[in-house]
Amino acid sequence: NAGVTQTPKFQVLKTGQSMTLQCAQDMNHEYMSWYRQDPGMGLRLIHYSVGAGITDQGEVPNGYNVSRSTTEDFPLRLLSAAPSQTSVYFCATQTGYYSNQPQHFGDGTRLSIL
Amino acid sequence: SQELEQSPQSLIVQEGKNLTINCTSSKTLYGLYWYKQKYGEGLIFLMMLQKGGEEKSHEKITAKLDEKKQQSSLHITASQPSHAGIYLCGAGPGIIQGAQKLVFGQGTRLTINP
Repeated sequence: NAGVTQTPKFQVLKTGQSMTLQCAQDMNHEYMSWYRQDPGMGLRLIHYSVGAGITDQGEVPNGYNVSRSTTEDFPLRLLSAAPSQTSVYFCATQTGYYSNQPQHFGDGTRLSIL
Repeated sequence: SQELEQSPQSLIVQEGKNLTINCTSSKTLYGLYWYKQKYGEGLIFLMMLQKGGEEKSHEKITAKLDEKKQQSSLHITASQPSHAGIYLCGAGPGIIQGAQKLVFGQGTRLTINP
């Protein structure tokens, strides 16, 4: 049982390049989300999805796009990478948006923008 | 918006000693989650607290939520090297507003010296 799988684990980009961070889950969870983690700032919510075809912005959405065409996948896109987007990115899932049960996290993608 | 403040930000203790990490919220907590993170890995769920005065324990870790539901503490008894890592508290706005839209504290980095 894989749970939440994030790829790649590490990535280095140049300013202005684009890339997609992948998140896949096999738990049939409706709710999926993306966070970024920066030193001294904890995790901040970027975007989230309450089900296939439905996405919404979190606390820090600028510079990122998402889409949710299937229950299993929730990719995060950087259209034009900036050094300020250097961070560790985590994908998390839960059974439902209104559930108060804990989220399941992937192992993260470490992204450096030069 | 809700903010969570963790203290201390960093903690170094001798193996075998007890320690406490605090998480203080700017608003009433409707669901408080404690997670642990090891370097290079995702977040591992520890405990969830919902009711004022609630206390939960797992092995040598005890988490409490105060009666006013604005502060939580995580206490580790007889610390071991396996307890080392980053501890994060997270909270949502409540079930009606979407329990999964979590805000996190900045994290407490725990080091255990042998």
